[in-house]
Amino acid sequence: AQSVTQLDSQVPVFEEAPVELRCNYSSSVSVYLFWYVQYPNQGLQLLLKYLSGSTLVKGINGFEAEFNKSQTSFHLRKPSVHISDTAEYFCAVTLDSNYQLIWGAGTKLIIKP
Amino acid sequence: NAGVTQTPKFQVLKTGQSMTLQCAQDMNHNSMYWYRQDPGMGLRLIYYSASEGTTDKGEVPNGYNVSRLNKREFSLRLESAAPSQTSVYFCASSEVQWNEQFFGPGTRLTVL
Repeated sequence: AQSVTQLDSQVPVFEEAPVELRCNYSSSVSVYLFWYVQYPNQGLQLLLKYLSGSTLVKGINGFEAEFNKSQTSFHLRKPSVHISDTAEYFCAVTLDSNYQLIWGAGTKLIIKP
Repeated sequence: NAGVTQTPKFQVLKTGQSMTLQCAQDMNHNSMYWYRQDPGMGLRLIYYSASEGTTDKGEVPNGYNVSRLNKREFSLRLESAAPSQTSVYFCASSEVQWNEQFFGPGTRLTVL
């Protein structure tokens, strides 16, 4: 069975510092990968997705993620975070449109002034 | 264009009471989903509807029922609420099953 692991439940980082949020999945076949963001007291919205093609994917708000098939990872990065990036970030994986989306437990990004 | 709307935003129930959570989308999406979100557990799928006229169980369907009323609307019913159903409930929709999902603002439900 597929699983998604977000290794850090919380990541504190100073404003304007870089950040990496880690996501690993268990699958030996091709996957579709997603990162969603949830701002406080709101629903989730898509940050970026990898379906095929270039392994470096750029999303909204300056975020990007790199698909690494050999390490089964899809880590999310931003070179300089802002206080407005305070949110919870969720990684999700599916094999294709016939399979349920599997969600990670989420990582809370805490921006320190 | 409102996207995905959910009602109510907040609800408090007593154990054993019933209620229906409403969800509607105006994006002409085929697939719709109901999730619950609990601290430290991410999102768990309750039920989904791949297309109008079909519904399927997700990871945690016990204690819930759903109705895909038409292409726009997908409701979630709790027949006899239990404290374990205290959670935040999200409805989502997507054009293609399991692809990019658009979420509603959520319903915060407390069962006493």
